[in-house]
This record gives sequence, C-alpha cells and structure tokens, in this order.
Amino acid sequence: AQSVTQLGSHVSVSEGALVLLRCNYSSSVPPYLFWYVQYPNQGLQLLLKYTSAATLVKGINDFEAEFKKSETSFHLTKPSAHMSDAAEYFCAVSDNNQGGKLIFGQGTELSVKP
Amino acid sequence: DAGITQSPRHKVTETGTPVTLRCHQTENHRYMYWYRQDPGHGLRLIHYSYGVKDTDKGEVSDGYSVSRSKTEDFLLTLESATSSQTSVYFCAISAGFFMGEQYFGPGTRLTVT
Repeated sequence: AQSVTQLGSHVSVSEGALVLLRCNYSSSVPPYLFWYVQYPNQGLQLLLKYTSAATLVKGINDFEAEFKKSETSFHLTKPSAHMSDAAEYFCAVSDNNQGGKLIFGQGTELSVKP
Repeated sequence: DAGITQSPRHKVTETGTPVTLRCHQTENHRYMYWYRQDPGHGLRLIHYSYGVKDTDKGEVSDGYSVSRSKTEDFLLTLESATSSQTSVYFCAISAGFFMGEQYFGPGTRLTVT
C-alpha cells in the first residue's frame, strides 16, 4: 500500500528565510503527488501537483516542489517565507490502484517568526 | 473557489444519537469524498463516491454510512454517534480519476459528548 511520511510535525522559520517541508512517499508505481495548505479554520487548498510532466513543479504563492524518484521524495520549498505562509501543510499521494483516492501525510505546521 | 458547501458547519450531539452531515457541490464533479481530520493523523478517508448510488469504503469506514442520490449531494451518516467520532469532517470533490486533484469544502466540526 502507498504511504506518505512528512518529516517534522512543526517547522519554524524566520520571515524571509527559506522554507523546506519534507515529504517522502512509498509507491510501487509512478505516483501522482500533491501538496495542500490549510489555513486556520479552513479547508485544504491545492498548492501544487506532480503528474510526471516535469520533476520541478511550481505552485501558487512562489512554492515549488521537486520530485526525486531515487530518493522517493517530494519536498516543498519557498525561497523567502512570509508571515502569511503560517499554516499546516499536507503532502498526499494518489492511490492509483484504488480509485484515485488520496493518501495524506500527517501534516507539518509551519510557523513564521517576524 | 470550487463550489462546495457543507452543513452544518458546527454540531454538538450526544452519544448514541444519529447524525447526518451534508456535502453539496455545484461543479457537477463525478467523484466525492468524506474525510475526517484528527491531530497527528492528517486526513483519513471515510467513504467515497464515484457516481450516483455508487459508493465505496475508505480506511476508517466503521460506524459511518453514506448515500448519494443526486450528483450534487453526498451525505455522511453516523448511525449512533460515539465520542471517538468527535472530529472535523471534510468533503472533497474531484473531476478526474487518477490524476485529478481534489477540492475541499470548509469542514464540519462535530463534537460528540
């Protein structure tokens, strides 16, 4: 079965610093991968998705993620953190063998210090 | 934003009572999903639907049932609520199958006392 592991349940960065949120997946077939963001008391919003077209994927709000098959990773980065980036971030993999359902990681809460 | 609404947005109920949560979409998407969100667990799939009257179980389906009689509505029922079902419930929709991203509703916070 596919699974997703997000390293670090809490990450804290200073405003203007690099954001790096880690995601590793296990999959026996080429996966489709997603990053979602959840602001307090809201639903999840899609940040970006990987569907094998390109290994470096750009998303909204200057976020990007790189698919590395050899490392089974799909880490999320942003060059310069803003206070408005404080939220919870979820990595997810599409379960191709079972109806396209999403398997989510546990989530990483990002705090941004002024 | 995708046209997804959930009702109610907040509910407090007592153990043993039935509860129904509603998800309504205006996008005419084929696939609909119910998740629950709990600290440390991310989102876990309860049930999903791949068409009118076509539903299947997710990883945490025990104690839940669903129905979909129209494309736009997907109902989640807790037949006899328990305290372990206190959670935030999210509905999601998707147009695609393997590659389609999912769009989420605003959530329903359910407390079972």
